[in-house]
Amino acid sequence: EAQVTQNPRYLITVTGKKLTVTCSQNMNHEYMSWYRQDPGLGLRQIYYSMNVEVTDKGDVPEGYKVSRKEKRNFPLILESPSPNQTSLYFCASSFDWGGLAPDTQYFGPGTRLTVL
Amino acid sequence: AQKVTQAQTEISVVEKEDVTLDCVYETRDTTYYLFWYKQPPSGELVFLIRRNSFDEQNEISGRYSWNFQKSTSSFNFTITASQVVDSAVYFCALSDSSGNTPLVFGKGTRLSVIA
Repeated sequence: EAQVTQNPRYLITVTGKKLTVTCSQNMNHEYMSWYRQDPGLGLRQIYYSMNVEVTDKGDVPEGYKVSRKEKRNFPLILESPSPNQTSLYFCASSFDWGGLAPDTQYFGPGTRLTVL
Repeated sequence: AQKVTQAQTEISVVEKEDVTLDCVYETRDTTYYLFWYKQPPSGELVFLIRRNSFDEQNEISGRYSWNFQKSTSSFNFTITASQVVDSAVYFCALSDSSGNTPLVFGKGTRLSVIA
């Protein structure tokens, strides 16, 4: 089954304790992205990656890191989480048609993170 | 800058009523793409439709239909004969044509369908 998976689905942590949220897709998509969803703000992009070893900042990258060592995986790293990073996080992936047109982004199930 | 406005924060309808969710967008690009996603109470984001700026034909898929009007920069979504299972938050999103640039989302409309 074609899908985007995220782990963990729920996480409660404390300020300053490093954490990683994993994202994996089995559709051989070039493009992967992380979004956060907050009440009243909708979804905002954190980071994205056009392919292996190619990443770039989205609209709200502060406090986050990403890496893309393999095509299928795109982990989101919070080196020192803070309470304002409490949010619902979504990973997404899609084909990259070489800049011709954006393909549909398919989203993972979400990770609900609480930072105390 | 690109922007998507969903002016309706919450809508409640009684089952079997028709309901239209509004989406107004802003972009300087002549080529762009519009999307609708559904987020049911379980939280996942479900893709509904993708439409490019050159295709102004209305689209119908079962009880769902979409009305794209470039003249008013709108891409409205109508659910006919609504059902309780349609209760969800619906997001409209916009992307320009330069490859897989970020989706710009509206803030969503929460639809409650009451039995």
